[in-house]
Amino acid sequence: GENVEQHPSTLSVQEGDSAVIKCTYSDSASNYFPWYKQELGKRPQLIIDIRSNVGEKKDQRIAVTLNKTAKHFSLHITETQPEDSAVYFCAAHLTNFGNEKLTFGTGTRLTIIP
Amino acid sequence: EAGVTQFPSHSVIEKGQTVTLRCDPISGHDNLYWYRRVMGKEIKFLLHFVKESKQDESGMPNNRFLAERTGGTYSTLKVQPAELEDSGVYFCASSLNPGTEQFFGPGTRLTVL
Repeated sequence: GENVEQHPSTLSVQEGDSAVIKCTYSDSASNYFPWYKQELGKRPQLIIDIRSNVGEKKDQRIAVTLNKTAKHFSLHITETQPEDSAVYFCAAHLTNFGNEKLTFGTGTRLTIIP
Repeated sequence: EAGVTQFPSHSVIEKGQTVTLRCDPISGHDNLYWYRRVMGKEIKFLLHFVKESKQDESGMPNNRFLAERTGGTYSTLKVQPAELEDSGVYFCASSLNPGTEQFFGPGTRLTVL
């Protein structure tokens, strides 16, 4: 089955600096890669996603890059703000004979230092 | 439009007892998923419903877990009998179509003592 590794597990960044979180996946058939943000006590929420036919996607201060050959994808947050502090999860989606599942990484706790 | 809701938000039970978690997906979402996060580890897939049918239950840990979605609307996840290792946060998610955004509920924090 699919396996997703996520690094780092914790990340502290000075406000205004950039943060990068990296994930690798094992199954080359995975075709959809969402990123979820979970603030303390709240539900995971999708912040950006990318499909396997695209190499990069950007939404304001957030961008995701995908390297299918190397089977890794990364989340980039620029000009970080205190409200970016949260746990971030990457995931890989695999369709296998009608079975659909998201395999998540272990999460990165991002702390923005004011 | 209401999001995915889950009940209860917290549950504390003794080992050996039974607990039933409920999930109400977004109206019109045929796809419903259950996930679990144990002890700060990854969010792990449990199973996937399409309407009332179990499409994939490969992530269910053992036969102490039973998920149902009668009528294809809300779903329940029953743990019977509960063990200590079942403690964690149980998330439900729903999506309109497979391979599209999954909307998560707030989770149920289950503590087994």
